[in-house]
Amino acid sequence: GNSVTQMEGPVTLSEEAFLTINCTYTATGYPSLFWYVQYPGEGLQLLLKATKADDKGSNKGFEATYRKETTSFHLEKGSVQVSDSAVYFCALYTGGFKTIFGAGTRLFVKA
Amino acid sequence: DAGVIQSPRHEVTEMGQEVTLRCKPISGHNSLFWYRQTMMRGLELLIYFNNNVPIDDSGMPEDRFSAKMPNASFSTLKIQPSEPRDSAVYFCASSGGDGLAAYFGPGTRLTVT
Repeated sequence: GNSVTQMEGPVTLSEEAFLTINCTYTATGYPSLFWYVQYPGEGLQLLLKATKADDKGSNKGFEATYRKETTSFHLEKGSVQVSDSAVYFCALYTGGFKTIFGAGTRLFVKA
Repeated sequence: DAGVIQSPRHEVTEMGQEVTLRCKPISGHNSLFWYRQTMMRGLELLIYFNNNVPIDDSGMPEDRFSAKMPNASFSTLKIQPSEPRDSAVYFCASSGGDGLAAYFGPGTRLTVT
């Protein structure tokens, strides 16, 4: 079946460090891929998306490239800030109105 | 745009009481989702609707849980009777169509004592 696997957290980084959060997926067909972010006490917000192979989604300095050959959609940011501390969810959509979410990866950024 | 609106934001109730959570989706969105989030289980999809019709309720944990969507602008999730293990944050989300991203509300934090 369709599934999403994310690296386990928490991930702890110092401010201005490089961030990578790994995400791989299993899906039939050609899914759309998303990253969502959840700040403390809030709901999930769409961070970026990619709808086909080799697409790069980007927003707020975050990027992720849809890699069909490795079934991956890793999230990266060149220089994290304290305000990026949150939980990040990778998700996929293959049809049928339902989005499948990963377990989430908690990021702590220290000043 | 007001976004997805949920009420109440916090609910504390005693075991055995009925709890009703409310959601107003984004205007024009035709899909609505109810999720539950806990530390132990993460984010779980409970039920989703398309054009006000329940499509998949396989995530609803027990018969104590029920959800309705009487019109395009309102949905409820009811727990009767509530139990302490129902304590969680419940999110409502809506989507504008097949394949489009879901927009989440701020959640209702439910505590059952």
